[in-house]
Amino acid sequence: NAGVTQTPKFQVLKTGQSMTLQCAQDMNHEYMSWYRQDPGMGLRLIHYSVGAGITDQGEVPNGYNVSRSTTEDFPLRLLSAAPSQTSVYFCASSWGQLNTEAFFGQGTRLTVV
Amino acid sequence: AQSVTQLGSHVSVSEGALVLLRCNYSSSVPPYLFWYVQYPNQGLQLLLKYTTGATLVKGINGFEAEFKKSETSFHLTKPSAHMSDAAEYFCAVRSSGDKLTFGTGTRLAVRP
Repeated sequence: NAGVTQTPKFQVLKTGQSMTLQCAQDMNHEYMSWYRQDPGMGLRLIHYSVGAGITDQGEVPNGYNVSRSTTEDFPLRLLSAAPSQTSVYFCASSWGQLNTEAFFGQGTRLTVV
Repeated sequence: AQSVTQLGSHVSVSEGALVLLRCNYSSSVPPYLFWYVQYPNQGLQLLLKYTTGATLVKGINGFEAEFKKSETSFHLTKPSAHMSDAAEYFCAVRSSGDKLTFGTGTRLAVRP
């Protein structure tokens, strides 16, 4: 099983550029989420989705857009990249029950210059 | 609202020594608690989880954690550290929806 697959693994952007981070899961999970990881701050929730066509904001949504047209895919769009968005981004998926764990992708390391 | 506090951003132990990583949570409803491990340049991997039932939870790689409701704690322990345990460890809580709230992490170093 591939699990949760994120692409690309590394990306360098110039300030103001836009891009999409891809996330796909093959476990038929209902819930998918995007987190960013910054030193000393743990993982913070950007956006999440409880099923196809349903998304909601997390703790740090500004500057990011998401959509969920299929169960498998949950792309994260940076509209106009800023240096403050330099981070490591993780996508995660899980079943809907509260007692189930989230499965994480390998991460995308994004640098905005 | 839910939150997690991990005391100690860096912990260093000698190989063979006890590992103790602290986690305290805040939740208005009974929580589900998780410990994840992150090896360098990798994603997060589940170590163990507490849902309901037994308060002492055993996980992979010899780790275990005890849920103490009276202390709102879920500390992670391992009797004897191994060099391969060097990693960053995250405690997380989920008490509503899919919102998994993480602590700020503890980086474990193991000295030979």
